[in-house]
Amino acid sequence: DTGVSQDPRHKITKRGQNVTFRCDPISEHNRLYWYRQTLGQGPEFLTYFQNEAQLEKSRLLSDRFSAERPKGSFSTLEIQRTEQGDSAMYLCASSRTGIEELFFGSGTQLSVL
Amino acid sequence: QQQVKQSPQSLIVQKGGIPIINCAYENTAFDYFPWYQQFPGKGPALLIAIRPDVSEKKEGRFTISFNKSAKQFSLHIMDSQPGDSATYFCAASIETSGSRLTFGEGTQLTVNP
Repeated sequence: DTGVSQDPRHKITKRGQNVTFRCDPISEHNRLYWYRQTLGQGPEFLTYFQNEAQLEKSRLLSDRFSAERPKGSFSTLEIQRTEQGDSAMYLCASSRTGIEELFFGSGTQLSVL
Repeated sequence: QQQVKQSPQSLIVQKGGIPIINCAYENTAFDYFPWYQQFPGKGPALLIAIRPDVSEKKEGRFTISFNKSAKQFSLHIMDSQPGDSATYFCAASIETSGSRLTFGEGTQLTVNP
């Protein structure tokens, strides 16, 4: 499978705990995006990387959220001190510079109890 | 601020019907308008896309109509099939912003046999 891979697929945590998600993009893609999707809504942009540089962060991304992409390969999204409002599907996507199409993974479903 | 508004929220048609989904945007800097299809438990996947220099684009049974002056675009699905039952999202982006997509709220389409 050469698509975008996300791990874990599901995560249940208690309020106040920290969680970390991983995304492995398509290997030749230099751009990587994180989106959040709640039930019945379209995906909302969180942040994106070109290679290892984080080029843009949404105002939705509070200081409890941090994303990294060491060496421009896989990426991690960490949420500290989770809140119930963080419950959502977290989607990762990748693309190549100059190619508009984004390829999405199947997402990580986060439930904060 | 919602920059891409999509309607209807849900749509039910019979097999062979032609569902039409509409989107309106506000930001005149948008220069790329894709439609994504999402099945339950999966990430969105690109269906078809258009740029504002053309008024219509057709790929197989899927057609985008684009009205630049009205800042509106729509998706038509010809000869719809039960396998087309999914959630459809319109989106928009600015090429120089790193292909960051702004999505509409989504339309849940059901095609009855």
